Amino acid sequence: DADVTQTPRNRITKTGKRIMLECSQTKGHDRMYWYRQDPGLGLRLIYYSFDVKDINKGEISDGYSVSRQAQAKFSLSLESAIPNQTALYFCATSAGKETQYFGPGTRLLVL
Amino acid sequence: AQSVTQPDIHITVSEGASLELRCNYSYGATPYLFWYVQSPGQGLQLLLKYFSGDTLVQGIKGFEAEFKRSQSSFNLRKPSVHWSDAAEYFCAVGARNYGGSQGNLIFGKGTKLSVKP
Repeated sequence: DADVTQTPRNRITKTGKRIMLECSQTKGHDRMYWYRQDPGLGLRLIYYSFDVKDINKGEISDGYSVSRQAQAKFSLSLESAIPNQTALYFCATSAGKETQYFGPGTRLLVL
Repeated sequence: AQSVTQPDIHITVSEGASLELRCNYSYGATPYLFWYVQSPGQGLQLLLKYFSGDTLVQGIKGFEAEFKRSQSSFNLRKPSVHWSDAAEYFCAVGARNYGGSQGNLIFGKGTKLSVKP
């Protein structure tokens, strides 16, 4: 089984809908991250969490919220989806400042 | 503030030829440095990383990278490219200092590698 899993892998939704992307990890890492990837822009950090009680905004948090339900689970929500949130979303985990390990990504299309 | 520049958006090389992908960073001290690869439709896989010590680091799939402090660079190299190396490559920088957002990575915008038969 993969160490970092993301569900769903693909999602199509309509403008104004609320959606949640989920991330689970079995690596035992304290730190978890959400990124979005857009063509030509690389990866940009949305939110990060250093432990269950610690949530921090990243570079592009507007329009997003997160929940760290447990050490192993970190969810990303789009409260009211808009078309420019169409992107590839990645979850990642790390143990401290070391290497980040990425999930397979969720491809989101907002119509 | 930290930043990462990958000057080449797209590179095409012939199979068997050598490869060098450029990465320049801006940071006040020696950062942590990473190269990740993303194959089409896949997530990011770590190729190699530099934390300290020998400035020439070896990674998976025959890749290596050299940290040059004087040039603020961490270029990725491979002596002979295979068709399966076609992918997008991302350089990333992490801060060493404690406190604040330490542990977060700043990614470059990526270099897409195409391999000609």
